[in-house]
Amino acid sequence: GIQVEQSPPDLILQEGANSTLRCNFSDSVNNLQWFHQNPWGQLINLFYIPSGTKQNGRLSATTVATERYSLLYISSSQTTDSGVYFCAAEFNTNAGKSTFGDGTTLTVKP
Amino acid sequence: DTGVSQNPRHKITKRGQNVTFRCDPISEHNRLYWYRQTLGQGPEFLTYFQNEAQLEKSRLLSDRFSAERPKGSFSTLEIQRTEQGDSAMYLCASSSNLNTEAFFGQGTRLTVV
Repeated sequence: GIQVEQSPPDLILQEGANSTLRCNFSDSVNNLQWFHQNPWGQLINLFYIPSGTKQNGRLSATTVATERYSLLYISSSQTTDSGVYFCAAEFNTNAGKSTFGDGTTLTVKP
Repeated sequence: DTGVSQNPRHKITKRGQNVTFRCDPISEHNRLYWYRQTLGQGPEFLTYFQNEAQLEKSRLLSDRFSAERPKGSFSTLEIQRTEQGDSAMYLCASSSNLNTEAFFGQGTRLTVV
């Protein structure tokens, strides 16, 4: 069936380090989003990126739709970057609803 | 626009009671979605609306669950005869249309005791 897999499941970094989070998806997608879930549970939009590359400050994302993966880059990490990062894909065969991965839990230590 | 708003933020209920949650989407967003998230998992799709029409329901949504969006604006999600397994975070999202960015509310955390 359709799947979204995120790696690594857990990541521990020292403040100032860079990191790459990966999202693999099993089929063609209409859209793909990256979210950061804050400690209170709200999903904060990071990128809407069905294809191509986008940058927003220290964060950037790249989706290679033909190879069915997306990457989220965090540079010069800060303690406030800690939390769970989710990617969510809306598949062509399942239009209208998003399938989430299980997330990457990022811990940035001071 | 204040974004997607959900009420209540927290709900504790006894097993067997009925509960209702409300979601107010971003104004003029046609699509509204409900998801459920349990600890350590990503959100799982429950149902979505295009205006007032409920277009799809997940098999996760048992007969005890019902969702409405009567005027194509706010939506309610009701759970009847709650069970401990219903304890979860219930998330609502909205988007302007198909294949557009979705925005999530703060969620309603349900605890069934």
